[in-house]
Amino acid sequence: NAGVMQNPRHLVRRRGQEARLRCSPMKGHSHVYWYRQLPEEGLKFMVYLQKENIIDESGMPKERFSAEFPKEGPSILRIQQVVRGDSAAYFCASSSSDVREETQYFGPGTRLLVL
Amino acid sequence: QQQVKQSPQSLIVQKGGISIINCAYENTAFDYFPWYQQFPGKGPALLIAIRPDVSEKKEGRFTISFNKSAKQFSLHIMDSQPGDSATYFCAAINEGGADGLTFGKGTHLIIQP
Repeated sequence: NAGVMQNPRHLVRRRGQEARLRCSPMKGHSHVYWYRQLPEEGLKFMVYLQKENIIDESGMPKERFSAEFPKEGPSILRIQQVVRGDSAAYFCASSSSDVREETQYFGPGTRLLVL
Repeated sequence: QQQVKQSPQSLIVQKGGISIINCAYENTAFDYFPWYQQFPGKGPALLIAIRPDVSEKKEGRFTISFNKSAKQFSLHIMDSQPGDSATYFCAAINEGGADGLTFGKGTHLIIQP
C-alpha cells in the first residue's frame, strides 16, 4: 500500500533553470496539497488541487510558480526561472475527500537546491 | 502575520519525562487542530488531532489539551523515549475555507537517554 510518492527526492538547479516536482497521491486520493518548508520554518501552504482543478492557490507566489493535477498522472509543481530563494523542501500531501478535517498524508518531499 | 505560534523552538527532556509543546492561534475560524511529527529527511506524519468541542484527547502516550477561550492547545508526551526525538508541528485548518493547513514553526525535541 504505497503512500504519497514524490520525485525527485533531491533536485539541483542553476539560477534561471526550470524545476519540475512530481507528486503521486495515495491510491484512491483525488485531493492534493503542496507546501513549502524553508530551513527552521514550518510548512507553508501553497496550493490545493483536485483532479483537473485548482481549488485554492492563495499561497502560491504570483509569478514563476504553477501547479497542475491532470486527469491522468501525477500532480506537478513547476517553478520557472528559479532563484536562490526558491531553495527549500517542497512537500505534497493527499487526502481522500474534500472534508476539511480529512487527514492529509504527506510525501517524503523534494529538496530543491538552487545554485 | 503568523497565525499559529508554537513554543518552545527546541526542547530537551530526560527519558521518562513529560514533553510539553504549546501552540496559540489567532483565527477563530480554525476548527481542526492536528499535530505532526517529522523525522529528518522525512515528510510530516499525523500524530494526533483534536476538534474544539473537546478539551482533551489522549492516544497512548500522547495527549492534546485544548483551551478554546484562550485559543491555545498543547501536546503532552508522557514517558518520553529517545525514539520520540523529532520535530513536532502543530497545525490548524478552517472547515469552511479552501486553503491548506496552517503550521506552527516547529519544536525540535530531543529525549536524552
